[in-house]
Amino acid sequence: AQKITQTQPGMFVQEKEAVTLDCTYDTSDQSYGLFWYKQPSSGEMIFLIYQGSYDEQNATEGRYSLNFQKARKSANLVISASQLGDSAMYFCAMRKGAGGTSYGKLTFGQGTILTVHP
Amino acid sequence: NAGVTQTPKFQVLKTGQSMTLQCAQDMNHNSMYWYRQDPGMGLRLIYYSASEGTTDKGEVPNGYNVSRLNKREFSLRLESAAPSQTSVYFCASSDWAGMNTEAFFGQGTRLTVV
Repeated sequence: AQKITQTQPGMFVQEKEAVTLDCTYDTSDQSYGLFWYKQPSSGEMIFLIYQGSYDEQNATEGRYSLNFQKARKSANLVISASQLGDSAMYFCAMRKGAGGTSYGKLTFGQGTILTVHP
Repeated sequence: NAGVTQTPKFQVLKTGQSMTLQCAQDMNHNSMYWYRQDPGMGLRLIYYSASEGTTDKGEVPNGYNVSRLNKREFSLRLESAAPSQTSVYFCASSDWAGMNTEAFFGQGTRLTVV
């Protein structure tokens, strides 16, 4: 069974600073994908970034980057130059590789609430 | 640019009442999902439909039923609501055959069972 652990219930960061949100995962699969989603107070789920288990480079999307350490089974989200609008809940999620009985099902972590201070 | 649309957005039920949450996607995705979100537990999969005509249980299926009405629509039914089903429910869809394709979520339904 897959498991995602986010050990930081809440994080605080000053505006314009960088922040790292931790995510560790447990799986016996060789092929898998890791996702980060943002959930603002309005409640919707917004996709941020994806990392495949076979990707050699760390994923980046604008101010978001994923610090992927496969041997340590960690996939930390780094947000550079934090903005007030980054205040939200952040979820790390994992999906088994394509094929078999994966069917795109996601396993989520507990989430981390990020608060950006002006 | 609708994406995934779920209704209603809010609902209050009395214990024992039934209701159906509706979900529709316009992205031609094969797979659809229902998750529930509870504080401190992230999102957990209730049921999913890998393709039109198929449904299967997820992690927390007890007390729920689903129907994949067609490729676009996937409904979740609570036959006899219980306070433990108070939660925020999300419908999602994805083209799971592509590893790097994300799931798209509806706006969520906040359900309170009293």
